[in-house]
Amino acid sequence: EPEVTQTPSHQVTQMGQEVILRCVPISNHLYFYWYRQILGQKVEFLVSFYNNEISEKSEIFDDQFSVERPDGSNFTLKIRSTKLEDSAMYFCASSDLASGTYEQYFGPGTRLTVT
Amino acid sequence: DAKTTQPTSMDCAEGRAANLPCNHSTISGNEYVYWYRQIHSQGPQYIIHGLKNNETNEMASLIITEDRKSSTLILPHATLRDTAVYYCIVRVAENAGGTSYGKLTFGQGTILTVHP
Repeated sequence: EPEVTQTPSHQVTQMGQEVILRCVPISNHLYFYWYRQILGQKVEFLVSFYNNEISEKSEIFDDQFSVERPDGSNFTLKIRSTKLEDSAMYFCASSDLASGTYEQYFGPGTRLTVT
Repeated sequence: DAKTTQPTSMDCAEGRAANLPCNHSTISGNEYVYWYRQIHSQGPQYIIHGLKNNETNEMASLIITEDRKSSTLILPHATLRDTAVYYCIVRVAENAGGTSYGKLTFGQGTILTVHP
């Protein structure tokens, strides 16, 4: 069964450094999402992406964040200058058009630890 | 998106049916009810969704009341692996003018613990 994959599974970085989190969505999906979950808290929406542009973003997704689909398979989330409060699990998700109801399929997540 | 209310936690014996309720009294006519679950620290997993008819798939059944103000997710024969946080989410599903494809707004969900 096709699945969303994410790399790395765990990323440790120092405050102020740039990180790129990578996702490979399900191959025929057209809509892509990033969510995050701070330890012990709710899953929070960050951004949705369709047709090579951001379709919606939350207030969390400020100028430090960016997303890109550099080729036909990868979808990346970049944090330009990480802060301690960016430590969280980051989940990528994708959905397709054919289903009509856009259920989202999530990857296993990347645990980002900012020290 | 309409707000949902779920119990904080529930217990269920292994092999028995788990019935997880959700209230969504402000649901709009074009909003679907979705259920996801999150097994410890893993990515949320889609379970099932519905608009107004009851739905069943290989994982679960979804019962939506006639007035659509509440629903129940049923896991017919719960196993230990069904222990997870279950989220009931209401959102518009179809393309709303081509600009938004329905972010999921997660609440705290129901922690379901299945006991041996």
